[in-house]
Amino acid sequence: GAVVSQHPSWVICKSGTSVKIECRSLDFQATTMFWYRQFPKQSLMLMATSNEGSKATYEQGVEKDKFLINHASLTLSTLTVTSAHPEDSSFYICSARAAAGRASTDTQYFGPGTRLTVL
Amino acid sequence: AQTVTQSQPEMSVQEAETVTLSCTYDTSESDYYLFWYKQPPSRQMILVIRQEAYKQQNATENRFSVNFQKAAKSFSLKISDSQLGDAAMYFCAYRSPYGQNFVFGPGTRLSVLP
Repeated sequence: GAVVSQHPSWVICKSGTSVKIECRSLDFQATTMFWYRQFPKQSLMLMATSNEGSKATYEQGVEKDKFLINHASLTLSTLTVTSAHPEDSSFYICSARAAAGRASTDTQYFGPGTRLTVL
Repeated sequence: AQTVTQSQPEMSVQEAETVTLSCTYDTSESDYYLFWYKQPPSRQMILVIRQEAYKQQNATENRFSVNFQKAAKSFSLKISDSQLGDAAMYFCAYRSPYGQNFVFGPGTRLSVLP
């Protein structure tokens, strides 16, 4: 149980285009989802926290107009990288915190990540 | 703000041996949660073990156990009978009971030698 999926697993796009990444909790309802960015050989950097039905909270230094987050339901959050540039190339990971139920509410369950390459 | 430190960027262990990964953290809170996550080459983050600070008993999950020293703010992970599949990056993480997000340490890359 407590499976989180991400789609796509990898994407290559041209500079200036927008890319949408989906994060889904498959067998539990997620009250909160988190988006991280991970550079090679580095730790995870939290970008934003989103709660279902409300606006995302962005970490300092993260441009909210560039990284659009939508948490439309208790099982789906999306991250859209708008007008992507090569410096946006990275590994993006989402995680979900469960609502009360089978999955632990204290633990974050991670998706498999999405590798974004901007040419 | 809380911080998490992992002082060992890289560690190696012989297959079937035991290895301990270090983690220290800084917080003024008395209650919190601590986690160890494993990130293998696939980059999927996998929960290894978790510890609630109010519990004195150290958490154990099969070959994985922790040494939680609350006064010293130390949370080390011991891997017994190391296997080749244990090779990965290991991240220590802290979560406040009042917040939702994790604070991750910089990670320790573990190699398992056959």
